[in-house]
Amino acid sequence: DVKVTQSSRYLVKRTGEKVFLECVQDMDHENMFWYRQDPGLGLRLIYFSYDVKMKEKGDIPEGYSVSREKKERFSLILESASTNQTSMYLCASTEGAGPYEQYFGPGTRLTVT
Amino acid sequence: QKEVEQDPGPLSVPEGAIVSLNCTYSNSAFQYFMWYRQYSRKGPELLMYTYSSGNKEDGRFTAQVDKSSKYISLFIRDSQPSDSATYLCAMSYTGNQFYFGTGTSLTVIP
Repeated sequence: DVKVTQSSRYLVKRTGEKVFLECVQDMDHENMFWYRQDPGLGLRLIYFSYDVKMKEKGDIPEGYSVSREKKERFSLILESASTNQTSMYLCASTEGAGPYEQYFGPGTRLTVT
Repeated sequence: QKEVEQDPGPLSVPEGAIVSLNCTYSNSAFQYFMWYRQYSRKGPELLMYTYSSGNKEDGRFTAQVDKSSKYISLFIRDSQPSDSATYLCAMSYTGNQFYFGTGTSLTVIP
């Protein structure tokens, strides 16, 4: 079974803090994605990566950056957390450049106070 | 206008009922269509996948795509309490980047 793990299930941070969300997949998948999920807005793509050291902006990249130094690990960085970044963050991975199933992690619920 | 529209519900049905979940979309270039199920406090998991128009059946689940109407549906027959979850539609034109609906919350009452 593919497993996608996220470093924290719940996280509380203060406004202005730098926040790191880590995602690790164990199936040698090439593509990795970061979404945020908000009531009434659904899943929105923040960033994705097709390969190590490669990244592409999704629909809502503002206020976020990402890092992919190793194939299995994809990090989402909030440079200066703000209250409007309070959300559920979901990481996903897929096998290759095709319409493959996205395997999701359990999510990190981030609260910025 | 959102790329993908989905009625958020909530939807509440008795056990054994037939459930119909729907999404509409605006981008006629979409050709990959998926349904995900998300249980509370978990990540979404793929339920059904269809390419282009037509129907696909898997056990109690049937996915339908009508590209002429830009409308997709998921039917659940003989619904069970274990089907209680949020159902998300997702679609793509490249197969790489997917656009998700907001999700429909379903409760099946025993």
